[in-house]
Amino acid sequence: NAGVTQTPKFRILKIGQSMTLQCTQDMNHNYMYWYRQDPGMGLKLIYYSVGAGITDKGEVPNGYNVSRSTTEDFPLRLELAAPSQTSVYFCASSYTGYAGYNEQFFGPGTRLTVL
Amino acid sequence: GIQVEQSPPDLILQEGANSTLRCNFSDSVNNLQWFHQNPWGQLINLFYIPSGTKQNGRLSATTVATERYSLLYISSSQTTDSGVYFCAVDLLIQGAQKLVFGQGTRLTINP
Repeated sequence: NAGVTQTPKFRILKIGQSMTLQCTQDMNHNYMYWYRQDPGMGLKLIYYSVGAGITDKGEVPNGYNVSRSTTEDFPLRLELAAPSQTSVYFCASSYTGYAGYNEQFFGPGTRLTVL
Repeated sequence: GIQVEQSPPDLILQEGANSTLRCNFSDSVNNLQWFHQNPWGQLINLFYIPSGTKQNGRLSATTVATERYSLLYISSSQTTDSGVYFCAVDLLIQGAQKLVFGQGTRLTINP
């Protein structure tokens, strides 16, 4: 199993550009998440999905969009990039099959700089 | 919302020393995870521990859910233990289970 994979590893955007961060998991997990980590801080939840076709906002969703057409993939779309979106983005997945169980596994991250 | 506080924020030790990292949380939680973020930024699962004690080599963790805290013990520290240690509590929010992270403890192990 490759686990959770993310592409690209690094990206520099100009203000106003758009891009999609890719995330794929091969563990047949039902839940998937997108987080951002600003320097010196913990992770904050952007969006999450409890299954294909179902997504919802997390703590910091403004400026982002997601879709989940398959169990494996959960892309994050940035529209009109702003310097405030400079961060490291992590995708995670978990199998939440019964109440209270939610061990999350993380991808390697995408480091995004908006100039 | 729930508050997750980790202490100390920074810890500098010599190789071979032992350390205890603490995670306090302000409300009842379903579960708790400990992660190590290595100097390359990768998040590594250490423990998934709703209560009780677990051990994995030189690392162990204890969660006392009724008193709303968890402890991570690192014995005989090695330079490869350096990095940031995060605890994250697992909550059921609006029908979905989510993690809320603390700010982390930055551990530096000097040779």
